[in-house]
Amino acid sequence: NAGVTQTPKFQVLKTGQSMTLQCAQDMNHEYMSWYRQDPGMGLRLIHYSVGAGITDQGEVPNGYNVSRSTTEDFPLRLLSAAPSQTSVYFCASSYGPGPRTDTQYFGPGTRLTVL
Amino acid sequence: AQTVTQSQPEMSVQEAETVTLSCTYDTSESDYYLFWYKQPPSRQMILVIRQEAYKQQNATENRFSVNFQKAAKSFSLKISDSQLGDAAMYFCAYRSRNAGGTSYGKLTFGQGTILTVHP
Repeated sequence: NAGVTQTPKFQVLKTGQSMTLQCAQDMNHEYMSWYRQDPGMGLRLIHYSVGAGITDQGEVPNGYNVSRSTTEDFPLRLLSAAPSQTSVYFCASSYGPGPRTDTQYFGPGTRLTVL
Repeated sequence: AQTVTQSQPEMSVQEAETVTLSCTYDTSESDYYLFWYKQPPSRQMILVIRQEAYKQQNATENRFSVNFQKAAKSFSLKISDSQLGDAAMYFCAYRSRNAGGTSYGKLTFGQGTILTVHP
């Protein structure tokens, strides 16, 4: 299987533009998350989902929307891009709670630049 | 809220030597998970090792082991017999175990430590 896939790998936007970062997994994972990675700050959680139709906010949700209509897909929408959203974005998934099944699998990341 | 701190922005080690990366965390919870992730230049996040807080025994995975000191809230990673392929950014991460409902899946990361391996 392909694991967690993200598209695009690179994207340049102008301030005010909108776009959707795609994330898909083929492992039948219930839990999916979006993180952003900025220099010196580690990864910070944006939004996450525990199943189709259920989402919740993370640490830095402002300016982003998510939805989860299927188990496989968890897109992240930037409503009106700002330079502060320049970052590397990671999608992650896991089976869910439990000692052997909650390890998160990360996608390869999307590098976004907002001019 | 939980916080994770990695106080070493950069570390270096000679090939075949041993290196220890530090991580401390702050939490009021008694039950949780701790992780070390490796991020090579490809940017992919790779799980290195996982520790369950209710287990006193330190986790080991081949050349990787941890020193988990629950009372001190310390979780260091030891890499033995370092290899050139170990060069990467390493992240320490925390996750609650008793969180219910939608709180699962929330990882809190440290700032990362860049590890350089010299031949």
